[in-house]
Amino acid sequence: DQQVKQNSPSLSVQEGRISILNCDYTNSMFDYFLWYKKYPAEGPTFLISISSIKDKNEDGRFTVFLNKSAKHLSLHIVPSQPGDSAVYFCAASIYGGSQGNLIFGKGTKLSVKP
Amino acid sequence: ETGVTQTPRHLVMGMTNKKSLKCEQHLGHNAMYWYKQSAKKPLELMFVYNFKEQTENNSVPSRFSPECPNSSHLFLHLHTLQPEDSALYLCASSQDLTGTGYTFGSGTRLTVV
Repeated sequence: DQQVKQNSPSLSVQEGRISILNCDYTNSMFDYFLWYKKYPAEGPTFLISISSIKDKNEDGRFTVFLNKSAKHLSLHIVPSQPGDSAVYFCAASIYGGSQGNLIFGKGTKLSVKP
Repeated sequence: ETGVTQTPRHLVMGMTNKKSLKCEQHLGHNAMYWYKQSAKKPLELMFVYNFKEQTENNSVPSRFSPECPNSSHLFLHLHTLQPEDSALYLCASSQDLTGTGYTFGSGTRLTVV
């Protein structure tokens, strides 16, 4: 059973508009969440993260929101740019856990149209 | 070189072949990982090494055999694979096991014929 779910396999947005990518998780022990971005033929690269002690973290055009009661997080990109077109993976971990492994979602492919 | 480097980038092998994937990191990280990415599936953790010691084997079939001679190098030895093992194999490293994020390599695209 998937512990981290990205239910939208794809999203298409017009340049300049907001992109909202969603992620749900089931394990209440998760307390650290990350978003990775992946271009074709490249490995995922870290984008932004949030600890469960916060409900929002912002870095330039990227903002991650965490709703612990709903076990839901979202990534907002505003304004969206064509270069943002990529697959976005949500990941979760138990910070300080002995294994340190991240649990990933299936990814959402974002297409930003000029 | 910096970051995490994986070789080869592409590999086609028959089911009776033996091949190895290589991963090297120049970040001074102590933990290294193998992940498998199949189409329409989440990234699946395969193996975790911390300070050269394997700390997790995520129920991976024995036809995949990892090796970590030092904290900077990680190998994945492959033998008698099946076509369903075709996937993108990603190596990653992190400073420690706190799960605060990895640096990934570009991956090896493996096709088993």
